[in-house]
Amino acid sequence: NAGVTQTPKFQVLKTGQSMTLQCAQDMNHEYMSWYRQDPGMGLRLIHYSVGAGITDQGEVPNGYNVSRSTTEDFPLRLLSAAPSQTSVYFCASGPRPRNEQFFGPGTRLTVL
Amino acid sequence: GEDVEQSLFLSVREGDSSVINCTYTDSSSTYLYWYKQEPGAGLQLLTYIFSNMDMKQDQRLTVLLNKKDKHLSLRIADTQTGDSAIYFCAETAFNTDKLIFGTGTRLQVFP
Repeated sequence: NAGVTQTPKFQVLKTGQSMTLQCAQDMNHEYMSWYRQDPGMGLRLIHYSVGAGITDQGEVPNGYNVSRSTTEDFPLRLLSAAPSQTSVYFCASGPRPRNEQFFGPGTRLTVL
Repeated sequence: GEDVEQSLFLSVREGDSSVINCTYTDSSSTYLYWYKQEPGAGLQLLTYIFSNMDMKQDQRLTVLLNKKDKHLSLRIADTQTGDSAIYFCAETAFNTDKLIFGTGTRLQVFP
């Protein structure tokens, strides 16, 4: 099993550009989530999904969209990147939120 | 909303015990976790405790839960240089689908 994979590992964007961070898991987990990690702020929940076709907002959803068309994939879209979105983004999956979550290696995003 | 707080840094000498603290605000928190993040990597689950427990021990790790004060702690006995990492506490409740993480504590172990 590959576990949770994220692409790309690094990305530099200019303000106003759009992009999609990819996340995939091969463990047949129903629950998937996206977090951003910033110094002194810890991990903050952006969006989460309890299954294919179902998504919901976390603590900091503004500026981000998600979709869950399959169990395996949970992409995160930045529609118009802003410098405040410079961060490290982690995708995670687990059977349910109260079960162990498996994290991807992260995507380091810089918005200029 | 939910809030999970931790102190940002802890520095200990190799061989000593480390105690990392966490406070949370959601009184309905049912499941509480400790995750470890090594440099340049994602998080990995270390241990967990249910709200109906006061203590859980797992080899060098001891988790204490004070539900009245909404306080969780992680004690690492005989701390080693390999324990240097960021430690996150996290909580969720039975009636929610959100897993909320704390601010993280960076543990530095020196010889």
